[in-house]
Amino acid sequence: KQEVTQIPAALSVPEGENLVLNCSFTDSAIYNLQWFRQDPGKGLTSLLLIQSSQREQTSGRLNASLDKSSGRSTLYIAASQPGDSATYLCATNRDDKIIFGKGTRLHILP
Amino acid sequence: EAQVTQNPRYLITVTGKKLTVTCSQNMNHEYMSWYRQDPGLGLRQIYYSMNVEVTDKGDVPEGYKVSRKEKRNFPLILESPSPNQTSLYFCASWDLYNEQFFGPGTRLTVL
Repeated sequence: KQEVTQIPAALSVPEGENLVLNCSFTDSAIYNLQWFRQDPGKGLTSLLLIQSSQREQTSGRLNASLDKSSGRSTLYIAASQPGDSATYLCATNRDDKIIFGKGTRLHILP
Repeated sequence: EAQVTQNPRYLITVTGKKLTVTCSQNMNHEYMSWYRQDPGLGLRQIYYSMNVEVTDKGDVPEGYKVSRKEKRNFPLILESPSPNQTSLYFCASWDLYNEQFFGPGTRLTVL
């Protein structure tokens, strides 16, 4: 059964720093992997989707990579801002079964 | 505007009283899914649907029912709610291999 792990569970960094969030998964036979952002008490906002055939995707200050062979994905956030504070979740899609990690709670210090 | 809508957004009910949470999407997506989110357990898939009249169990289907009679709608039914179904529920839709779009969530409390 697929397991998705996100480490660390929480992270605090000063504003302006570049940072990397990690997502690992046990079953590499995935269709794709998606990164989301969730603000407290709110829904999920899609950030990036990486298909199984792709190695990375970029949107603005965000870059997500995927290494299926090692079961890892990273979300790189450049020049962090206080507005980036949120919980970041990754999710794998295999045979339409979606498995989420428990998220990394990110706090950007002004 | 492309969106997934859920109703109600907040619901307080009592044990055993049947309830339905509605979900509707306007993007003509094939796939729809229900999740619950609990502290310490994260988001878990309850049921999903690949098309009209086609549904399958996710990780935590016990105590829930779904139906997909129309492509745009995917209601979640709790026939006899119990306190352990108190949770934050999300509906999502997507097309095969594409990104999921989530609804705003329904916060359910079962007393």
